[in-house]
Amino acid sequence: AQTVTQSQPEMSVQEAETVTLSCTYDTSESDYYLFWYKQPPSRQMILVIRQEAYKQQNATENRFSVNFQKAAKSFSLKISDSQLGDAAMYFCAYEAGDNNDMRFGAGTRLTVKP
Amino acid sequence: DAMVIQNPRYQVTQFGKPVTLSCSQTLNHNVMYWYQQKSSQAPKLLFHYYDKDFNNEADTPDNFQSRRPNTSFCFLDIRSPGLGDAAMYLCATSGQGGQPQHFGDGTRLSIL
Repeated sequence: AQTVTQSQPEMSVQEAETVTLSCTYDTSESDYYLFWYKQPPSRQMILVIRQEAYKQQNATENRFSVNFQKAAKSFSLKISDSQLGDAAMYFCAYEAGDNNDMRFGAGTRLTVKP
Repeated sequence: DAMVIQNPRYQVTQFGKPVTLSCSQTLNHNVMYWYQQKSSQAPKLLFHYYDKDFNNEADTPDNFQSRRPNTSFCFLDIRSPGLGDAAMYLCATSGQGGQPQHFGDGTRLSIL
């Protein structure tokens, strides 16, 4: 069974600084997708970034980037120039192939200090 | 704007009284999902529809059922809610597997 592990229940960062959230996963599949989702308090879950496992290049979306280490099964999220609006629960998620069965990690609660 | 809409945002029901949560989408996505999310926990997939094909997770209780009468709508029925079913229920859609999922705002279910 595929599992997703987020080892940091809580993280905090100073506004304008950089923070990295960790995620590891376990799978025997070669074709899969990895995601980071953001869930602000009492608000909708939204996609932050997506990575296709067959692509070696790390995905980036503005201030958000990932460090995808396929051999190590690691998928960390880096947030640069942190803003107050980045405060949220961040979930790492895995989906094998096209089986429509996304698995989420336990989440990391990020606090941004002004 | 294309979106996923869940109604109601808050639902209160009595122990054992059937309740239905609804989800609609304007994205014309093939896949619709229902998740259960308890406080400060990860969303847990209950089931999903790929078009009309229903896919139930092995550990989803029989108490939970779903209906998808057409592409746009999907319903979650809880036949006899117990106190342990109090949670946020999230609906999501995607075009196909591997594509990002689009989530609704969720329905928070309370059981009296």
